[in-house]
Amino acid sequence: SVLLYQKPNRDICQSGTSLKIQCVADSQVVSMFWYQQFQEQSLMLMATANEGSEATYESGFTKDKFPISRPNLTFSTLTVNNARPGDSSIYFCSSRDWGYEQYFGPGTRLTVL
Amino acid sequence: GQQVQQSPASLVLQEGENAELQCNFSSTATRLQWFYQRPGGSLVSLLSNPSGTKHTGRLTSTTVTKERRGSLHISSSQITDSGTYLCAMERAGGNYKPTFGKGTSLVVHP
Repeated sequence: SVLLYQKPNRDICQSGTSLKIQCVADSQVVSMFWYQQFQEQSLMLMATANEGSEATYESGFTKDKFPISRPNLTFSTLTVNNARPGDSSIYFCSSRDWGYEQYFGPGTRLTVL
Repeated sequence: GQQVQQSPASLVLQEGENAELQCNFSSTATRLQWFYQRPGGSLVSLLSNPSGTKHTGRLTSTTVTKERRGSLHISSSQITDSGTYLCAMERAGGNYKPTFGKGTSLVVHP
């Protein structure tokens, strides 16, 4: 299994500001994933981040809005640029173990005022 | 596109009753994984199986790939089972991009 830690666990910010969400794994993982979940909705995959390469974004998510860094095999950062109230949701980082089971961080609950 | 439908949307039980949660998907799946989401939002992986039946504790996951459906059976429900149960389907032939259902909200009363 993989344990994932996220920081902060919640944040409140003003519209137009940027914020960073950090994700740390307790072991080296090849891929890290970032998900967005609006209240009472399913999780939406935002992007896949592999070490040393540009993140791959899903439809509806862009590098300019949600830049992701993956400097090593245990760490990733998601930035939310020019935050808007519509970005208010829970953001999860995720990864898989070698058995292909998926694990999630505890989530970061973002509120944009 | 890929769709994952979960039913029922919500379920209320008395403690000790069994629950049967359904997951139907529109594409051929290579793996179905069940997650429990706590009321506070954190997610826990419960079971993952590409096909057949898998047990852990009071949980049984059954996946019938040909029929594009899966189920999660919870026996002897407990108050602490309350929360949201999500299924995620990984499509055959593609890169790993699981699609999640909206979940079943379970409330277990004493």
